[in-house]
Amino acid sequence: NAGVMQNPRHLVRRRGQEARLRCSPMKGHSHVYWYRQLPEEGLKFMVYLQKENIIDESGMPKERFSAEFPKEGPSILRIQQVVRGDSAAYFCASSLTGRPNYGYTFGSGTRLTVV
Amino acid sequence: TQLLEQSPQFLSIQEGENLTVYCNSSSVFSSLQWYRQEPGEGPVLLVTVVTGGEVKKLKRLTFQFGDARKDSSLHITAAQPGDTGLYLCAGIKNNAGNMLTFGGGTRLMVKP
Repeated sequence: NAGVMQNPRHLVRRRGQEARLRCSPMKGHSHVYWYRQLPEEGLKFMVYLQKENIIDESGMPKERFSAEFPKEGPSILRIQQVVRGDSAAYFCASSLTGRPNYGYTFGSGTRLTVV
Repeated sequence: TQLLEQSPQFLSIQEGENLTVYCNSSSVFSSLQWYRQEPGEGPVLLVTVVTGGEVKKLKRLTFQFGDARKDSSLHITAAQPGDTGLYLCAGIKNNAGNMLTFGGGTRLMVKP
């Protein structure tokens, strides 16, 4: 399967717990993007990473959220001390060139529910 | 307030009808993309338009980029139930690096 793989597909956390969302880009892609989608809304940019570097985190809340894309392994979006407002679908996309003109490939998302 | 406004937000039509979805902004975009998203899945890229006034066709779907590169439309001819889904436009601004700015989406339902 050469697609963008996200896991888990569904994640339930209690308020105050940590959520870790994983994204494996398409083979050969070194550019990863995270977007958040609230119910019945479009996607909002969070962060753009290349291997071992955060390139643009302008859309990510300053507190409780962090992202990484290590040299080996998947990209991780970490949300600490989750609150109900963090409930959303989180999508990862990858690209070959880093230029969205050529299109992203999105994963199927992780649906986070905070109870 | 959305930077990209899509209209209508919801559309329910009968199989065989034609429809147009609009994506408008006061900002200029270097290019614009249309995606289709099905429930429980990620968005899938349909088309990228780059040049002002550009028209692209994908079977029964026609995409147009406005002359001023501020707006776009998606026209579907003879809609089918398989066209049901959430249609999202996304713009790329010249000075916004690699970020896509998405509209709020148009949820289309085509009834048989």
